[in-house]
Amino acid sequence: KAGVTQTPRYLIKTRGQQVTLSCSPISGHRSVSWYQQTPGQGLQFLFEYFSETQRNKGNFPGRFSGRQFSNSRSEMNVSTLELGDSALYLCASSPSDSLGGEQYFGPGTRLTVT
Amino acid sequence: GENVEQHPSTLSVQEGDSAVIKCTYSDSASNYFPWYKQELGKGPQLIIDIRSNVGEKKDQRIAVTLNKTAKHFSLHITETQPEDSAVYFCAAFMFSGGYNKLIFGAGTRLAVHP
Repeated sequence: KAGVTQTPRYLIKTRGQQVTLSCSPISGHRSVSWYQQTPGQGLQFLFEYFSETQRNKGNFPGRFSGRQFSNSRSEMNVSTLELGDSALYLCASSPSDSLGGEQYFGPGTRLTVT
Repeated sequence: GENVEQHPSTLSVQEGDSAVIKCTYSDSASNYFPWYKQELGKGPQLIIDIRSNVGEKKDQRIAVTLNKTAKHFSLHITETQPEDSAVYFCAAFMFSGGYNKLIFGAGTRLAVHP
């Protein structure tokens, strides 16, 4: 099976702009989670989608949003970008319909905000 | 609050030696504990996980132990090889702020010297 894919792999944006990142989960996985990874804060949970509904969320401001489509593909959007949003954004999919199942990560999208 | 502490932050061993990484978690209700390996430029890779009804799990050179009473779990790598060099993250599945989420430790940078 193909792994989790994320596009684009690299992105450079300017402060104040918005950005949309895309994630395609492993075939058959219905749960998709998003994480932000920075050297200072480490790996932090953003939100999780299951069957097109946001099921769980972390402690990020409303500028961070996401959605999931009927084919389980997911997008996350960051509006009004700030310098501190520069990070590796990781998507993970899970085969488990119940919570607390194993998650498989994609390679990430490296976002740089200037 | 939600917290996973991981030690040490860096670990240097000689090829063939064993490596041990330890994590403690704050939520006694946590029931799922995965370990991830992240190589440079890649997303985290799930290497082993354990659930709260099990005290130990092994997979070839890798083992994880869990002490629910003390709220800590450890990763043991035996007969280390240079390709084991990477950053290792522990995580615990927690219910926090009204939502379920995977909380990660800060990571351990393991260097295996030939």
